[in-house]
Amino acid sequence: EIVLTQSPGTLSSSPGERVTLSCRASQSVSSHLAWHQQKPGQAPRLLIYDVSKRATGIPARFSGSGSGTDFTLTISSLEPEDFAVYYCQQRISWPLTFGGGTKVEIK
Amino acid sequence: QVQLVESGGGVVQPGRSLRLSCVASGFIFSNYGMHWVRQAPGKGLEWLAVIWHDGSEINYADSVKGRFTISREDSKNTLYLQMSSLRAEDTAIYYCAKAMSPQGWDWFDPWGQGTLVTVSS
Repeated sequence: EIVLTQSPGTLSSSPGERVTLSCRASQSVSSHLAWHQQKPGQAPRLLIYDVSKRATGIPARFSGSGSGTDFTLTISSLEPEDFAVYYCQQRISWPLTFGGGTKVEIK
Repeated sequence: QVQLVESGGGVVQPGRSLRLSCVASGFIFSNYGMHWVRQAPGKGLEWLAVIWHDGSEINYADSVKGRFTISREDSKNTLYLQMSSLRAEDTAIYYCAKAMSPQGWDWFDPWGQGTLVTVSS
């Protein structure tokens, strides 16, 4: 099973700041990595897939990068609605696995 | 627009069974793979099961293999998760999610709103 480790666990930032979230895989997932956003009391939604492709309707302030085992989700300028938990996910092998999540909270 | 609506959750005693449903609309259900994912209270996401668009392939997480069964009924645009031998650790919100293609290994988009299953005596 591929283990995805996300860091930091919690990130405190202010609106307008640039933030970077990390996801490290226990073995290479090539480009088979996605990011999901989950707001309190809501279902997750797909943000980024195939490392860097934005899902439908996702603003350009969200971007993804990386390959192999190290990946990054960057939010270029935090909006109030971006405070949420972010999960990375791999699909290169079964079982599909998620990282433990990074909570982005208001400083 | 694409919509997924789960139902069937509730309180169930350990060892009993429960069947969850996920009714899909806004797309051609039979053309897409479908997943079940769960989230225990205050915890992260755990993928459970996938079924290909035509049912030709099915995969399960080890934590539910042999206890849970994923199936689909395309005539009713409905995905199911039959859960048996339920344990306290199965308590979670259960989400269905649509794959982005007929194959089950594709990304989840979108997710349903979830249904809560509580296993307790």
